[in-house]
Amino acid sequence: QVQLVQSGAEVKKPGASVKVSCKASGYTFTNYDINWVRQATGQGLEWVGWMNPKSGNTGSAQKFQGRVTMTRDTSISTAYMELSSLTSEDTAVYYCARCYGDIDYWGQGTLVTVSS
Amino acid sequence: DIQMTQSPSSLSASVGDRVTITCRASQGIRNDLAWYQQKPGKAPKRLMYAASSLQSGVPSRFSGSGSGTEFTLTISSLQPEDSATYYCLQHNNYPPLTFGGGTRVEIK
Repeated sequence: QVQLVQSGAEVKKPGASVKVSCKASGYTFTNYDINWVRQATGQGLEWVGWMNPKSGNTGSAQKFQGRVTMTRDTSISTAYMELSSLTSEDTAVYYCARCYGDIDYWGQGTLVTVSS
Repeated sequence: DIQMTQSPSSLSASVGDRVTITCRASQGIRNDLAWYQQKPGKAPKRLMYAASSLQSGVPSRFSGSGSGTEFTLTISSLQPEDSATYYCLQHNNYPPLTFGGGTRVEIK
């Protein structure tokens, strides 16, 4: 069965960076894009960006450009999202998601807390 | 970018009621729309794809319709376990993906 398993919760100070991992299993990792979506407490879903695991091509929402880096290690079917220059507004649950058209599978989410 | 306007933002209904949630796209998106249900502390779960196709395992009381710019998710007979927040997602010009603002459904 398809699974996306994310790394654990993180607490970071303002100005720091965070790197979240997403390990895929149950399907061919390079056949589907991985997207990242975040959700602040009590708020809606916000698209962060996408990555094609086969080519390594990436793209992000304009508000994250220059601050987000998405990478992958195909040998271990794992995608990574690194967000830099963190502020309190980046406090949220970050989800990785498999995408072929729309999103069909989601990771369990990783809580990133930014606090001094 | 395409904007998705979802309404209402919240609703309260009784068990057995028919519930309808609407998403409007700022431009035509054919049927490139999915609906998700999210319960507190959990990842979203896909209910519908291609606007009107029911995800395997999802109860048949859920249905979707629409094409172009207006879409609806209907729960034909609301059940206690349907208390959740519902989101639409458009993927017509992917990337990007665009979510609706969400509808919180409460059971009276």
